[in-house]
Amino acid sequence: NAGVTQTPKFQVLKTGQSMTLQCAQDMNHEYMSWYRQDPGMGLRLIHYSVGAGITDQGEVPNGYNVSRSTTEDFPLRLLSAAPSQTSVYFCASSFRHSGLILGEQFFGPGTRLTVL
Amino acid sequence: TQLLEQSPQFLSIQEGENLTVYCNSSSVFSSLQWYRQEPGEGPVLLVTVVTGGEVKKLKRLTFQFGDARKDSSLHITAAQPGDTGLYLCAGGERDDKIIFGKGTRLHILP
Repeated sequence: NAGVTQTPKFQVLKTGQSMTLQCAQDMNHEYMSWYRQDPGMGLRLIHYSVGAGITDQGEVPNGYNVSRSTTEDFPLRLLSAAPSQTSVYFCASSFRHSGLILGEQFFGPGTRLTVL
Repeated sequence: TQLLEQSPQFLSIQEGENLTVYCNSSSVFSSLQWYRQEPGEGPVLLVTVVTGGEVKKLKRLTFQFGDARKDSSLHITAAQPGDTGLYLCAGGERDDKIIFGKGTRLHILP
């Protein structure tokens, strides 16, 4: 199993450009999520999905779109990049909560994004 | 939105010392998790605590869930340089959101 894969590992954008961060998992997990990590801020939830065709907003969704057409893939789209979106982005997946008991989240290696 | 506050934010201690870090909230969580993250990598799950008052041990790491399920602690006995990293707690909300605290950055000096 490859686990959770993310591409690209590094990306530099100019303000106003758009791009898609790719995330895929091969563990048949229902739950997938995107986080951004900034110095001193821990992980902040951007968007999440509890299954194919279902997505919802997290704590900091503005400026980002997601879709979940398959169980395996959960791409994150930056619509018009801004310097405030410079961050490390992590994708994670898990089996869905069982009776509100959290499942183990498996994280990808991260994408380091710089917006100039 | 429920908040998880972690303390201390930074901790630097000598190898062999004991330490405790905390994860607190004003809200009740059905379960809490602790993750460790090393530089350049994604977080890795250490433990999930579910029952109020529960204590779980993982080698030299002891995790406790508060009786009221609003807080948790992580105690490390005889810290080693390999324990260095960012320790994050996470909790789930009713609408499937999983939120993280800001983390405790731990540095063990050899």
